[in-house]
Amino acid sequence: KNQVEQSPQSLIILEGKNCTLQCNYTVSPFSNLRWYKQDTGRGPVSLTIMTFSENTKSNGRYTATLDADTKQSSLHITASQLSDSASYICVVTPRPTNAGKSTFGDGTTLTVKP
Amino acid sequence: NAGVTQTPKFRVLKTGQSMTLLCAQDMNHEYMYWYRQDPGMGLRLIHYSVGEGTTAKGEVPDGYNVSRLKKQNFLLGLESAAPSQTSVYFCASSYYPRGEGSEAFFGQGTRLTVV
Repeated sequence: KNQVEQSPQSLIILEGKNCTLQCNYTVSPFSNLRWYKQDTGRGPVSLTIMTFSENTKSNGRYTATLDADTKQSSLHITASQLSDSASYICVVTPRPTNAGKSTFGDGTTLTVKP
Repeated sequence: NAGVTQTPKFRVLKTGQSMTLLCAQDMNHEYMYWYRQDPGMGLRLIHYSVGEGTTAKGEVPDGYNVSRLKKQNFLLGLESAAPSQTSVYFCASSYYPRGEGSEAFFGQGTRLTVV
């Protein structure tokens, strides 16, 4: 069964600090990996997407990296802000693509404190 | 743009009651999805649709039915609610299947409690 495992489960950091969230997956063959941000009480919003041929993608202070050989991805947040407090979800889609085959990780809950 | 709108936002049901959750999108997306999200667990796909008049089962379809009579609407029905269906339900839509790189846009969620 395809799996997506995220770590840590939760993380607390001080405002202004950097942090890195991890996503390991067993999905193979692999099509793409997407990171979503989910604020409390809201639906997820896409941050980045990477295909198997890409190894880094940035969106402002968010930088995602991908190592397709080791099946690992990370999301690095630079100079954290209070508004970064949210759940971050890794989603992996296999090849051939299928609307119903993406696998969601359980998410990492990030809390940024002043 | 409204994007993806879910109705209602909150609901409390008694065991055995039925209800319908409505999802509406104004982005002309072909693909629509219903997920449930439980504490400590990832989003799980209930049912999805690849176009008007079509539906397909996802990972956890039991106890739910769906209909896509109009392209912009995707309805999720609970035939006989059970406490195990207490969850937050999210609807999403996308222009292409997620596997082709298209972003899925999510609604704000419906918090359902079955007592």
